[in-house]
Amino acid sequence: TQLLEQSPQFLSIQEGENLTVYCNSSSVFSSLQWYRQEPGEGPVLLVTVVTGGEVKKLKRLTFQFGDARKDSSLHITAAQPGDTGLYLCTPHDNYGQNFVFGPGTRLSVLP
Amino acid sequence: DTGVSQNPRHKITKRGQNVTFRCDPISEHNRLYWYRQTLGQGPEFLTYFQNEAQLEKSRLLSDRFSAERPKGSFSTLEIQRTEQGDSAMYLCASSLVPYEQYFGPGTRLTVT
Repeated sequence: TQLLEQSPQFLSIQEGENLTVYCNSSSVFSSLQWYRQEPGEGPVLLVTVVTGGEVKKLKRLTFQFGDARKDSSLHITAAQPGDTGLYLCTPHDNYGQNFVFGPGTRLSVLP
Repeated sequence: DTGVSQNPRHKITKRGQNVTFRCDPISEHNRLYWYRQTLGQGPEFLTYFQNEAQLEKSRLLSDRFSAERPKGSFSTLEIQRTEQGDSAMYLCASSLVPYEQYFGPGTRLTVT
């Protein structure tokens, strides 16, 4: 059974600060997605990372896939209140048939 | 609006009653997923359809839960004899690429 962890569980920061959240698995996976979920809404897909060591940037968000493809990180530069939400990771196997989501990191960015 | 839609958005029911939720996926998406999410947790997988075929079903899903996708378009999730532990947000997602899912806004169920 794959063990999927996200850290930290909660994070509260001031606007303008930088932060990094992590997703770690006990298994190797072929790809991983990051989602952000706002209260009362469904998760919204942010990015898919596929290659070990891959780095993708989405404005102030930088996503990295670990070389061993067992972990991933999300770095936010100069956080804004609009970044507030639950950040979820979900890895997938070669068939794209893994439906496990991590417990999420709940981020609060205070103005 | 071409996103995933779910109805109703909120449902309050008494314990023991049956409830049914509907999901309308993005029109060209052949894959459809149902998840349940409780407060402070990530979504928990319930079941998965490819077109009208139900290909995966969580072992955590009790016999009181049933899902259908009769024509490979919209889907329904029915919970029979609801229990207080069924209170949660029920999320539907659809995809064209196997793992890039687009979620609806969810149906929040409260069982009193």
